[in-house]
Amino acid sequence: DQQVKQNSPSLSVQEGRISILNCDYTNSMFDYFLWYKKYPAEGPTFLISISSIKDKNEDGRFTVFLNKSAKHLSLHIVPSQPGDSAVYFCAASHSSGNTGKLIFGQGTTLQVKP
Amino acid sequence: KAGVTQTPRYLIKTRGQQVTLSCSPISGHRSVSWYQQTPGQGLQFLFEYFSETQRNKGNFPGRFSGRQFSNSRSEMNVSTLELGDSALYLCASGPGASRTDTQYFGPGTRLTVL
Repeated sequence: DQQVKQNSPSLSVQEGRISILNCDYTNSMFDYFLWYKKYPAEGPTFLISISSIKDKNEDGRFTVFLNKSAKHLSLHIVPSQPGDSAVYFCAASHSSGNTGKLIFGQGTTLQVKP
Repeated sequence: KAGVTQTPRYLIKTRGQQVTLSCSPISGHRSVSWYQQTPGQGLQFLFEYFSETQRNKGNFPGRFSGRQFSNSRSEMNVSTLELGDSALYLCASGPGASRTDTQYFGPGTRLTVL
C-alpha cells in the first residue's frame, strides 16, 4: 500500500525554466512533509519541508505547496539549473507518536538541460 | 561537524550468509533510522533507534534487526540473506527530540547478494 506516491518517474526541463515535481498521499494523518534530493552514490539531502498548518513554504529557488483537501503537494524550482538534476523524493510524517519515521514516495528523476 | 558515516560502503555476500552494517550519526544526534532502497521503490523504513531503544519498526521480517550503542552509533544485521535483500541501505540521524527535526542521511551501504 503506497501511501505516498510520485506518479512521474522522470521530468526533463530546460535550464532557467520552472520545474514542478508532484506528490500525492493517501493518509490524512500525515501532517508534516519533506522533500529530499539525491545524487548518485550519495545519501538524500534535505531540501525543504512544510507543516500541514501552512499551504506554502519558500526557501530561495525552492517552494513547496500543500493542498490538504486534495492530499497533494508540489515542489517548484525556479529557475532550474543543471546542478538540480537529481532524484527528488517527497516524504511524509505521521501525526501520531514522537518518531522520526518517514514514508517516502518512489522518487522523480529531474533532468535539467543546459 | 562531520556528517553521517556508514561502513562498509559496498558489500557482496551470498545467499544464506548474514551481514552487519554500521552507522555513525552526527555528533550530538541521538536518533538513528534505517531505510532500504531498491530499484523502483522509494525508501522503505526499517527501524528507528533513540537513546539505545527501538522507537519504531517497519514491516520487514525478523531477519532484519538492529541496535544502538550508548554513543548513538547503530548497527543493523540481516541474517539468512536472500537475493531480494540486495539494496542500498541508508541510515539517517537526527536530534530525535521532535519528529519534525531534520534528519541527515549517510551515503549508504550497497549490499549485493549473490
